[in-house]
Amino acid sequence: EPEVTQTPSHQVTQMGQEVILRCVPISNHLYFYWYRQILGQKVEFLVSFYNNEISEKSEIFDDQFSVERPDGSNFTLKIRSTKLEDSAMYFCASSEIRTAAEAFFGQGTRLTVV
Amino acid sequence: QQQVKQSPQSLIVQKGGISIINCAYENTAFDYFPWYQQFPGKGPALLIAIRPDVSEKKEGRFTISFNKSAKQFSLHIMDSQPGDSATYFCAARVEGAGSYQLTFGKGTKLSVIP
Repeated sequence: EPEVTQTPSHQVTQMGQEVILRCVPISNHLYFYWYRQILGQKVEFLVSFYNNEISEKSEIFDDQFSVERPDGSNFTLKIRSTKLEDSAMYFCASSEIRTAAEAFFGQGTRLTVV
Repeated sequence: QQQVKQSPQSLIVQKGGISIINCAYENTAFDYFPWYQQFPGKGPALLIAIRPDVSEKKEGRFTISFNKSAKQFSLHIMDSQPGDSATYFCAARVEGAGSYQLTFGKGTKLSVIP
């Protein structure tokens, strides 16, 4: 069964450092997303991406965040200067364009900012 | 108006019992209501979903009941099993050009005891 894969599974970084979280969406999907889940809290939408541009973003997705699809398979989330409050599980998701558009989630990257 | 309110926060059910989780929403533009199941350390996985043109959808032991006029929907797990112990999130989506952003409830931690 096709799945969304994310790397790394766990990333520890020092405050102020840049991190790049990587995702390989399901191959025939055209919509890509990043969500985050702070420990014990709900899953929150960050950004959606379609046709090589951001289609929607939340207020959480400020200038410190950026997304990119550098090639035909990868989808990345970059945090330029990490803060302690960026510590969370980050989930990548993807969905098809015309079906019921269920979003399929990856297993997540746990980001710990120290 | 974009919120999805989920209750209860936690639920303990005996094996073989019925688990019921409720969600309510305000935004009448929501048109797709999925439920996600999340095990510790994993990403949310789509369990079952419903559109507002039907009042009920059943898949195996899982049933979604949808009340459009009350703007409420619920997940029923029949014959609950210890393997169902997980966190369940309801979600809702508004279709829009280029976006399928999901708004999640806060989650319900279900524990099924033998």
